[in-house]
Amino acid sequence: DAGITQSPRYKITETGRQVTLMCHQTWSHSYMFWYRQDLGHGLRLIYYSAAADITDKGEVPDGYVVSRSKTENFPLTLESATRSQTSVYFCASSEWVGRSYYGYTFGSGTRLTVV
Amino acid sequence: QKEVEQNSGPLSVPEGAIASLNCTYSDRGSQSFFWYRQYSGKSPELIMFIYSNGDKEDGRFTAQLNKASQYVSLLIRDSQPSDSATYLCAVNEGDTGRRALTFGSGTRLQVQP
Repeated sequence: DAGITQSPRYKITETGRQVTLMCHQTWSHSYMFWYRQDLGHGLRLIYYSAAADITDKGEVPDGYVVSRSKTENFPLTLESATRSQTSVYFCASSEWVGRSYYGYTFGSGTRLTVV
Repeated sequence: QKEVEQNSGPLSVPEGAIASLNCTYSDRGSQSFFWYRQYSGKSPELIMFIYSNGDKEDGRFTAQLNKASQYVSLLIRDSQPSDSATYLCAVNEGDTGRRALTFGSGTRLQVQP
């Protein structure tokens, strides 16, 4: 099915472990994004990608690493998980058509708990 | 730091009334404005976007934009209990090439039957 899928939906991990959250989209959208959503902070941009092999930091990149070797995949890795990274993580994709921009489509999210 | 401000609510309206949600933004270069609806435990879904000053209507929803005042609003007519959700205002980053959106923290709307 066409869309944007995230996995896993739920994850519990221990402090210090490496964790990778997966994001896959089937539209061939150029742009992909990772956000985290926390109470009181709303959605904050972690990393952004304009195309395969082009990534850039967002507002809160510390402790996270991304890669984008293929257009459809944009995994997010927590190198050494900390409790402050307990959050809900959303992946999103988007595209521009000419000068028109139609916003994001979000994945279902990953709820990550670091204990 | 570009900011998007929303009243966190909750905004409580009776069924059938008009709900008015407001948003201000700091980036004068922003050109695209979006309203997302997010039900508890779900991901945000796009309900409206607006680029030009004035009003844009889509069914029961009307988005209003005033770039001079840096103000965006969303009106929901004939509010239904199913409209109860958190509404997120988002604006594009005007002076970067990131094509990223900055989100407000959201306004929680409660429609009372």
